[in-house]
Amino acid sequence: GAGVSQSPSNKVTEKGKDVELRCDPISGHTALYWYRQSLGQGLEFLIYFQGNSAPDKSGLPSDRFSAERTGGSVSTLTIQRTQQEDSAVYLCASSPPDRGYTEAFFGQGTRLTVV
Amino acid sequence: AQSVTQLGSHVSVSEGALVLLRCNYSSSVPPYLFWYVQYPNQGLQLLLKYTTGATLVKGINGFEAEFKKSETSFHLTKPSAHMSDAAEYFCAVSDGNAGNMLTFGGGTRLMVKP
Repeated sequence: GAGVSQSPSNKVTEKGKDVELRCDPISGHTALYWYRQSLGQGLEFLIYFQGNSAPDKSGLPSDRFSAERTGGSVSTLTIQRTQQEDSAVYLCASSPPDRGYTEAFFGQGTRLTVV
Repeated sequence: AQSVTQLGSHVSVSEGALVLLRCNYSSSVPPYLFWYVQYPNQGLQLLLKYTTGATLVKGINGFEAEFKKSETSFHLTKPSAHMSDAAEYFCAVSDGNAGNMLTFGGGTRLMVKP
């Protein structure tokens, strides 16, 4: 009965380094989303995965951001050459196909601090 | 494009008083509307949603919201506030298409005074 699991819960990195954030969705949830929560921008959609379809990357803020989802389950969000403005809480959510994917279950997030 | 405006970044009420958190949206298509709650250092939890049908929606913890198309509003209410309701509340909209990606408002922090 585990919920959406994200790791690490906190990450401090130096400017210019690459980071990987992990999301383990709820079993059976075919939809997976990444959102970013920051003081300046609020909650923003980043990317959406649905089964084996090509992801919707329309929310990624720059080409330094990428994500993949292996085997329709675990997802990794990668930020290359981190900048201070990347500091934020990165939230992952998953959603089941019943009820039209209208109920997203969120993880506790990864707090990223770029120093 | 869709957008959500939450009036009042901070709302303070006394325990037992009415809670009213305001949300207005903009959408070019019939919207799906949501309220989420976030407790400190936690993810977001769905309180309630409107997709189709009855415009008065009841959610968890005694909260409800009414979809008013003419006013483009989806305000959240609770008749009597509890201390445990102190949290941040987010209104969100989606277009109901495949994916249901959410556009969030800026959030309202609810404080409950004893």
